[in-house]
Amino acid sequence: DAMVIQNPRYQVTQFGKPVTLSCSQTLNHNVMYWYQQKSSQAPKLLFHYYDKDFNNEADTPDNFQSRRPNTSFCFLDIRSPGLGDAAMYLCATNNPPEKGGSTEQFFGPGTRLTVL
Amino acid sequence: AQKVTQAQTEISVVEKEDVTLDCVYETRDTTYYLFWYKQPPSGELVFLIRRNSFDEQNEISGRYSWNFQKSTSSFNFTITASQVVDSAVYFCALSGPFGNEKLTFGTGTRLTIIP
Repeated sequence: DAMVIQNPRYQVTQFGKPVTLSCSQTLNHNVMYWYQQKSSQAPKLLFHYYDKDFNNEADTPDNFQSRRPNTSFCFLDIRSPGLGDAAMYLCATNNPPEKGGSTEQFFGPGTRLTVL
Repeated sequence: AQKVTQAQTEISVVEKEDVTLDCVYETRDTTYYLFWYKQPPSGELVFLIRRNSFDEQNEISGRYSWNFQKSTSSFNFTITASQVVDSAVYFCALSGPFGNEKLTFGTGTRLTIIP
């Protein structure tokens, strides 16, 4: 089945120790998104890639970076995790209407990050 | 600026009762899209429905139905004959016209179905 895969599902890191979260998709979608969802809050977009074009949200801290080496994979790098970065990180994909798709985004299962 | 309000933080109903989740939105776009997502305890956001701003037809899918009213900027979601498996957090979301933009989510409604 075509899907969005996130690894690992649970990640524990230490304060200040860099961590990388992974997302892959078999949907061949042009756009990949990273959302942060803190406990009992709504998901909040950090950034997205439209093909190779990177689009950062204005309020995303510099501590968060992303890489998209090819269509299928996208990575979220947290350079120096703080306690406030503990959250669920959700990857999503879609093809916009101009690419023959539709506007809904398809989400992976998420990676729950714990910072000790 | 876009905004989505889900005033109901938590709802509990007894199994087989009907329940309606409210969603009110604000946007300056003339073309926009509205969505409902379900988030079970596992955490994955499951897409339920998309509605564009030009289509005010109500939609029914099994036990689920959606009522879109542009005049009141509302996009409400009704579950009839609720089941325990419907227990989850439900998010209403809004996007602009292009399809490669962020989803603006409401704060979610936690629905608990009591057996």
